[in-house]
Amino acid sequence: GENVEQHPSTLSVQEGDSAVIKCTYSDSASNYFPWYKQELGKGPQLIIDIRSNVGEKKDQRIAVTLNKTAKHFSLHITETQPEDSAVYFCAASRTGRRALTFGSGTRLQVQP
Amino acid sequence: EAGVTQFPSHSVIEKGQTVTLRCDPISGHDNLYWYRRVMGKEIKFLLHFVKESKQDESGMPNNRFLAERTGGTYSTLKVQPAELEDSGVYFCASSPQGFQAFFGQGTRLTVV
Repeated sequence: GENVEQHPSTLSVQEGDSAVIKCTYSDSASNYFPWYKQELGKGPQLIIDIRSNVGEKKDQRIAVTLNKTAKHFSLHITETQPEDSAVYFCAASRTGRRALTFGSGTRLQVQP
Repeated sequence: EAGVTQFPSHSVIEKGQTVTLRCDPISGHDNLYWYRRVMGKEIKFLLHFVKESKQDESGMPNNRFLAERTGGTYSTLKVQPAELEDSGVYFCASSPQGFQAFFGQGTRLTVV
């Protein structure tokens, strides 16, 4: 089955700096890669996603890049703000099996 | 538009008791998923409904877990009898025809 590894497990940055979270996946058939943000006491919130036919996608301060050959994808957050502090999860799934396989999560702390 | 709603938000039960979790998906979403996060580990898939049918139940841990989706609307997840290792946060998610899945706030289950 699919296996998704996520690094780092914790990340602390100064407000205004950039943050990068990386994930690798094992199933070459995976073709959908979402990122979720989970704040304390809330459920995971979809913040951005990318399909395998696209190498990069951007939405304001967040962007995701995908390298299909290397089977890894990354989340980039620029100009970080304290409200970006949360746990971020990457995930992968494929056509024919919608179940998401999640990474272990990254706790991002943005220091004011 | 209302999001995915889960009841209860917290449940504390004794080992051997029964607990039923409920999920109301976003209206019109045919796909409904159950996931859980145990002991701060990664979020793991339990099962996937398409309307009232179980599409994929490969993640269900054992026969103490029973999921139903009456009439293709809300879903329930029953744990009977509950064991200590069942403690965790249970998430429900729903999606329309596409890949994007939207999560509820979760039910924190504590078995003592």
